[in-house]
Amino acid sequence: QKEVEQDPGPLSVPEGAIVSLNCTYSNSAFQYFMWYRQYSRKGPELLMYTYSSGNKEDGRFTAQVDKSSKYISLFIRDSQPSDSATYLCAMRGYGQNFVFGPGTRLSVLP
Amino acid sequence: NAGVTQTPKFQVLKTGQSMTLQCAQDMNHNSMYWYRQDPGMGLRLIYYSASEGTTDKGEVPNGYNVSRLNKREFSLRLESAAPSQTSVYFCASSEGWGGQPQHFGDGTRLSIL
Repeated sequence: QKEVEQDPGPLSVPEGAIVSLNCTYSNSAFQYFMWYRQYSRKGPELLMYTYSSGNKEDGRFTAQVDKSSKYISLFIRDSQPSDSATYLCAMRGYGQNFVFGPGTRLSVLP
Repeated sequence: NAGVTQTPKFQVLKTGQSMTLQCAQDMNHNSMYWYRQDPGMGLRLIYYSASEGTTDKGEVPNGYNVSRLNKREFSLRLESAAPSQTSVYFCASSEGWGGQPQHFGDGTRLSIL
């Protein structure tokens, strides 16, 4: 079993839809959680960073962490074609390096 | 405002050849990282440098060496390339180790025949 799992997609939604992207993990020591967006043939860019459980909101993006279920989510409201990309989650525990999920490919259709 | 710059962008090697991937950042970050990205595998850490003068192995260091030349530059060397090292390589930086990699370069696409 991989430490961090994501549905690879592709996930296709119409413009304006609410998108839910998810990661599950197996290591209960993970405390720090991140989401990155990666456009084709580009490096990842950091979107959201959360510590421990709870929600964090930044514009159209909301990150949720449920440590009891070992489950994190990224919600995108009012999705736009420019949101079409691969979304990577990453996480780590104290004193560890980050572990990345394989990514979910999202396509927002005009 | 370049951020993280990687060279070259593309490279084709034959098995057994050597090469060095270059990375430079202009944000005065202390920590730098080398990752490889393979389909379905996610980013895997090869080596990192928590601060100038230090380097440490990551998850998949075999077949690679690194040099933290100065605070700006962190190079990755393949001494004897193997087909299993065909991948996309990303360099990243962060203000300090333990912080999330904040800035990534656009990658080097490496094929080994």
